[in-house]
Amino acid sequence: GQSLEQPSEVTAVEGAIVQINCTYQTSGFYGLSWYQQHDGGAPTFLSYNALDGLEETGRFSSFLSRSDSYGYLLLQELQMKDSASYFCAVRSRGKLIFGQGTELSVKP
Amino acid sequence: NAGVTQTPKFQVLKTGQSMTLQCAQDMNHNSMYWYRQDPGMGLRLIYYSASEGTTDKGEVPNGYNVSRLNKREFSLRLESAAPSQTSVYFCASSEWRERTDTQYFGPGTRLTVL
Repeated sequence: GQSLEQPSEVTAVEGAIVQINCTYQTSGFYGLSWYQQHDGGAPTFLSYNALDGLEETGRFSSFLSRSDSYGYLLLQELQMKDSASYFCAVRSRGKLIFGQGTELSVKP
Repeated sequence: NAGVTQTPKFQVLKTGQSMTLQCAQDMNHNSMYWYRQDPGMGLRLIYYSASEGTTDKGEVPNGYNVSRLNKREFSLRLESAAPSQTSVYFCASSEWRERTDTQYFGPGTRLTVL
């Protein structure tokens, strides 16, 4: 089967940097994705890593180490609007399976 | 482009009633998915369809059936609703390759079973 682990909650202050880790166990791994979900809304895509290394998209970066079955999402210059839930997900045998999510609270 | 649309947005059922949740996408994606999300929880895959004419079970298929009507539409049916099926249901579609994988979600259906 598949399993993903990520912290349930993270708190940070505006302007800071925060890292959300994700470890996974899966067969037939293709890549690691990150999604953002604001309260009451639909998840939206943030980033995808198929290869080892860092992918940067504006204030957000995502990292993958396939040998360690580990990845992280890095959020820089935090803003209040970044308060949301963040999910890592793995593609395995055609299915996208999600972690339980990390609730990020950004304080002023 | 509307992306992924779902109907209805809200629904209240009594235990034992049946209903069908509708989902359509206009992005010409081959793959479509149904997830449920309980309060404070992640998204759990109910069923998915890798292409028109195929459907497969996800993590929590019991109590549900699906139909991939055509490439655009993927419906989810609750034959006999139970309070444990109270949840938010998200439909999604994607066209993934080895180097790119973006899943697009509909706005969700908030279902309450009394």
